Amino acid sequence: NAGVTQTPKFRVLKTGQSMTLLCAQDMNHEYMYWYRQDPGMGLRLIHYSVGEGTTAKGEVPDGYNVSRLKKQNFLLGLESAAPSQTSVYFCASSPGQGAPTNEKLFFGSGTQLSVL
Amino acid sequence: QQQVKQSPQSLIVQKGGISIINCAYENTAFDYFPWYQQFPGKGPALLIAIRPDVSEKKEGRFTISFNKSAKQFSLHIMDSQPGDSATYFCAAPSGGGADGLTFGKGTHLIIQP
Repeated sequence: NAGVTQTPKFRVLKTGQSMTLLCAQDMNHEYMYWYRQDPGMGLRLIHYSVGEGTTAKGEVPDGYNVSRLKKQNFLLGLESAAPSQTSVYFCASSPGQGAPTNEKLFFGSGTQLSVL
Repeated sequence: QQQVKQSPQSLIVQKGGISIINCAYENTAFDYFPWYQQFPGKGPALLIAIRPDVSEKKEGRFTISFNKSAKQFSLHIMDSQPGDSATYFCAAPSGGGADGLTFGKGTHLIIQP
């Protein structure tokens, strides 16, 4: 029972490099989210998806892109990394509209990204 | 957009004591207020949640108290244990739709043995 799996767990980038973070969930959840966590800032929503092929912007979307080509996967891309994107990134999923626990978020264990 | 204000930022409690963390929200339209617990190196996990049709919900040593008129809810940890040392986040629905939760900035709780 894996739940939400994020890869990689750690990554160091140089300014201007690109990378993709992968999130996979095996709970057949409709909704998926990407959050970033910074000291003293809590968790802030970057992008989210309500189903395969759909994406939407969250609170802090600039500098990021996402794709949800398959229901179980949600990818977060950084096209040109900046030091301000140094953070811990968390993926989460939830069952979706109409489910009795649709508000409950299930989180992965995070990706620690450093941009030098 | 929901705003959620959490206090204190950090808290030190002696083993066996009561830990209290407070949260205030703005939008009264929403009906679900959870607390998440996060251990170092892990993702947050749902600890306990309340809907505003009740003023209190208890699960073991953890209790949420909800004050609808003041737009506040708090987490009480009774008989606090060193294993409760973690970061705690309150949250509220961001927009009532599919855009997830808005989180408070977190409280770093340390339980001293």
